[in-house]
Amino acid sequence: NAGVTQTPKFQVLKTGQSMTLQCAQDMNHNSMYWYRQDPGMGLRLIYYSASEGTTDKGEVPNGYNVSRLNKREFSLRLESAAPSQTSVYFCASREGGVTLHFGNGTRLTVT
Amino acid sequence: GQQLNQSPQSMFIQEGEDVSMNCTSSSIFNTWLWYKQDPGEGPVLLIALYKAGELTSNGRLTAQFGITRKDSFLNISASIPSDVGIYFCAGQRGDYKLSFGAGTTVTVRA
Repeated sequence: NAGVTQTPKFQVLKTGQSMTLQCAQDMNHNSMYWYRQDPGMGLRLIYYSASEGTTDKGEVPNGYNVSRLNKREFSLRLESAAPSQTSVYFCASREGGVTLHFGNGTRLTVT
Repeated sequence: GQQLNQSPQSMFIQEGEDVSMNCTSSSIFNTWLWYKQDPGEGPVLLIALYKAGELTSNGRLTAQFGITRKDSFLNISASIPSDVGIYFCAGQRGDYKLSFGAGTTVTVRA
């Protein structure tokens, strides 16, 4: 049982490059989330998808777009990466309740 | 999101010690949660608290939901080396969005 799988694990981008972070869950959860984690800031919500076909902005959506491709997959896209987007990105999912299941993160550096 | 103040920012533990950390907010939450993050991994839920005054244990971990609904604490008794990591508090309102604290980094005292 893989849970939440994120790819890639590491990525280095130059300013202005684009990339898509992939996330897939095999728990049949309706809700999926993208967070970023920065030192001293905790986890901040970028976007979420309460169910297949819907997406909503979180606290820090600027510079990002998302796609809920199907119930399993929720991708995060950086169209034009900036150094301020250097962070660790976590995808999470859940089905009602409070228990968020997190992936192991993507460590992104933008130079 | 709502601001959660988590303290301390970091702490050193010696095996066998009891340690505690807490989280406060200016806003009321319906649920308080405590997560632990090991290096290179995502956070994992340790304890969930659902009502004011609730005291819940999970092994050597004990957490309480403050009476005012604006705070929570986590105690770890008889620390062991695998307790190192980052501990996050999180509060949830009725809209199911979580607000996270900045984390408490626990390391072993040499």
